[in-house]
Amino acid sequence: EDKVVQSPLSLVVHEGDTVTLNCSYEVTNFRSLLWYKQEKKAPTFLFMLTSSGIEKKSGRLSSILDKKELFSILNITATQTGDSAVYLCAVEENSGNTPLVFGKGTRLSVIA
Amino acid sequence: GAVVSQHPSRVICKSGTSVKIECRSLDFQATTMFWYRQFPKQSLMLMATSNEGSKATYEQGVEKDKFLINHASLTLSTLTVTSAHPEDSSFYICSARDGHNYGYTFGSGTRLTVV
Repeated sequence: EDKVVQSPLSLVVHEGDTVTLNCSYEVTNFRSLLWYKQEKKAPTFLFMLTSSGIEKKSGRLSSILDKKELFSILNITATQTGDSAVYLCAVEENSGNTPLVFGKGTRLSVIA
Repeated sequence: GAVVSQHPSRVICKSGTSVKIECRSLDFQATTMFWYRQFPKQSLMLMATSNEGSKATYEQGVEKDKFLINHASLTLSTLTVTSAHPEDSSFYICSARDGHNYGYTFGSGTRLTVV
């Protein structure tokens, strides 16, 4: 049973559209939720969320966490073709050196 | 920021040979290194957790004799794929928690192709 579930699995939008990517999780001892962008190589870090209701922003990207409902969303406004990638959601459990548990990712394709 | 250097980035080897992948933390000490494998269009799957100075912990279904992990120092962990087969062809990535605000740092990944 997957602990981290992302939706949709894939998405095709036109440049300029706004997209919302979803991530729900079910873990015993939640510590943090992280979003990554993966193009052809290793994932690159986007956000780390630990507290509910606090939006984190970086340019056109923003993310928020709801610890009561156990989900997070990643928003991308005014999408560009360079946003095309797989967006991975990962959850960290417990404390200290535990591995991240990844969702299957959302493959976003932005077409001109 | 924290950097994990992973080598090689790409390797092609013949069936039956062994391949070593290195991950080195450049500006922090990584007491624990996580090794992931990613097949095409799939997510990262944890293979094993490498602990400095002790035996690695392998996930269920991962053969410890096939995927040898050594973590001899606080800055270096290696994964050796022994007797490689075409089905071992995959993208292998290491990761360590760097203690900074952004949590985990990934190596650049190694794309292994076994022919």
